[in-house]
Amino acid sequence: GAGVSQSPSNKVTEKGKDVELRCDPISGHTALYWYRQSLGQGLEFLIYFQGNSAPDKSGLPSDRFSAERTGGSVSTLTIQRTQQEDSAVYLCASSRDKNYGYTFGSGTRLTVV
Amino acid sequence: KNEVEQSPQNLTAQEGEFITINCSYSVGISALHWLQQHPGGGIVSLFMLSSGKKKHGRLIATINIQEKHSSLHITASHPRDSAVYICAVTGNQFYFGTGTSLTVIP
Repeated sequence: GAGVSQSPSNKVTEKGKDVELRCDPISGHTALYWYRQSLGQGLEFLIYFQGNSAPDKSGLPSDRFSAERTGGSVSTLTIQRTQQEDSAVYLCASSRDKNYGYTFGSGTRLTVV
Repeated sequence: KNEVEQSPQNLTAQEGEFITINCSYSVGISALHWLQQHPGGGIVSLFMLSSGKKKHGRLIATINIQEKHSSLHITASHPRDSAVYICAVTGNQFYFGTGTSLTVIP
């Protein structure tokens, strides 16, 4: 597609449930990034993919968070046993390469109740 | 200490004013990004810089690698420029500034 597509756009889940967030990057973009923005907070880096590998997972806040990318394209971010502090907007961005400009998706607003 | 520091945190300007937002960083970088987020809106990448200066319309971004400093300038500011402007750097890791909230008053 023309832009970075994220789904769902909104997700409300009960505490303790698992959620999967999807990011469809721009075709041909090898670099893919996940961030989150909690209410009133700045951007927080989560994980970076170059192709299918994740050279930098340093931002994942706990072992409940995992991400994968297959075929150098779509990525899923999985949060297991969600907690209320996981509530945030989860943003995905892609770029042709780490040293090129990013294009951001519109985000998934996750609310854990 | 944050790896990326932005100033000012908040800025209010009259329409038409020249605006400067500053970003200093303390880590080695391969690129610096300026991002824009309108209230309730998505994040837009304005510039990616590794040296020198770039210009898009009324926006100008400069970077001084030796001084580890970048500035974002807005000429002839307009109320639609009201947004949060975020400086981010990429190197071995990714670091974000806390953002500058700009309000341009008509």
